[in-house]
Amino acid sequence: DQQVKQNSPSLSVQEGRISILNCDYTNSMFDYFLWYKKYPAEGPTFLISISSIKDKNEDGRFTVFLNKSAKHLSLHIVPSQPGDSAVYFCAASIQGGSEKLVFGKGTKLTVNP
Amino acid sequence: KAGVTQTPRYLIKTRGQQVTLSCSPISGHRSVSWYQQTPGQGLQFLFEYFSETQRNKGNFPGRFSGRQFSNSRSEMNVSTLELGDSALYLCASSPRTGATNEKLFFGSGTQLSVL
Repeated sequence: DQQVKQNSPSLSVQEGRISILNCDYTNSMFDYFLWYKKYPAEGPTFLISISSIKDKNEDGRFTVFLNKSAKHLSLHIVPSQPGDSAVYFCAASIQGGSEKLVFGKGTKLTVNP
Repeated sequence: KAGVTQTPRYLIKTRGQQVTLSCSPISGHRSVSWYQQTPGQGLQFLFEYFSETQRNKGNFPGRFSGRQFSNSRSEMNVSTLELGDSALYLCASSPRTGATNEKLFFGSGTQLSVL
């Protein structure tokens, strides 16, 4: 049973436009959510996170939105750049702990010049 | 600060063999977690070690085991390798101070191919 779902395996956008990556979760106990970015042959790197007490968190071009009632979060990248092309993983945990993060299957973002 | 270091980067084994992967966490980080990444399944949690003790375990068979040493370095062992064990094995460390909203720092992984 997949507790964190990223239903779009891939997404393609034009440089300069907005990229929106979506993530749904089923476990209402999750209270801390993270996005990781992964380039080929490298490990995932932390991008941005949000606690369930917030509904939005911004960091430069990256914004994460959390809709607790819908158990849905999204990552917005504005403007998108070719260097953003990577696989993006959504992850969730209970009680804000880093142990035993539950990851989605990832969405491959391609930003075309 | 040096990042999380995993060795080796690549491994080729045959079915039935066993393999040991190594991970050195970021200095000062006391928790080491292991994940398996496959194209169809994303990142799946294997186990977490803290203070030389396994604290959490994912849904993997007993062929997958690990340990952590007093210097926080960790090893992961897979015995009786199967073709389906071919994957990228990722190690991640965190301070595990008990503070909320900590994050994991990942190594580059060990790509294991089982023939």
